[in-house]
Amino acid sequence: DAGVIQSPRHEVTEMGQEVTLRCKPISGHDYLFWYRQTMMRGLELLIYFNNNVPIDDSGMPEDRFSAKMPNASFSTLKIQPSEPRDSAVYFCASSVRGRGDEKLFFGSGTQLSVL
Amino acid sequence: GIQVEQSPPDLILQEGANSTLRCNFSDSVNNLQWFHQNPWGQLINLFYIPSGTKQNGRLSATTVATERYSLLYISSSQTTDSGVYFCAVVPLYNFNKFYFGSGTKLNVKP
Repeated sequence: DAGVIQSPRHEVTEMGQEVTLRCKPISGHDYLFWYRQTMMRGLELLIYFNNNVPIDDSGMPEDRFSAKMPNASFSTLKIQPSEPRDSAVYFCASSVRGRGDEKLFFGSGTQLSVL
Repeated sequence: GIQVEQSPPDLILQEGANSTLRCNFSDSVNNLQWFHQNPWGQLINLFYIPSGTKQNGRLSATTVATERYSLLYISSSQTTDSGVYFCAVVPLYNFNKFYFGSGTKLNVKP
């Protein structure tokens, strides 16, 4: 398995622009998580899905952030409009529950810089 | 929410030395995992260990759920062990939400 795949690896944009981050979870995993990592706040959970349904979006900073999971193999995190304080590394992770070894697997992350 | 505290925050070792990293959590959990974030930023899952002891090569982990702590042992450390080690837990009252500690930053010198 190729693991969790994220794109792009790096994104540099200007304040006010729309940013879309993409994620392909591991096949067969029924949970998908979006995290943000910064030096100040560490790893923060933004939102997670179960079987493509958003379960908890309490970590989404504000209405500028939205996430979708149209099918089991694809999810997007969108920021519109972007602001410099959104600069961070965004990780997608997936896992499967109820099979004993419930490890969480992370993608390589998207380094976002908003100028 | 649940509090996850890791210690020490920073650790410098000479290659070949052993070390113990600790993770304390404030409430009962049904899932605990250890991760290594390498210097390139990649997060690698080391152990899924809600209780008991597991070993994988030079690494081993023990979780004592009743006392709300977990330990990660690194033996005969190598420079490639450098990076940040995170503990993540899922509390019993929120079956799916992972809470991460702030990490232990390890630097292994040759």
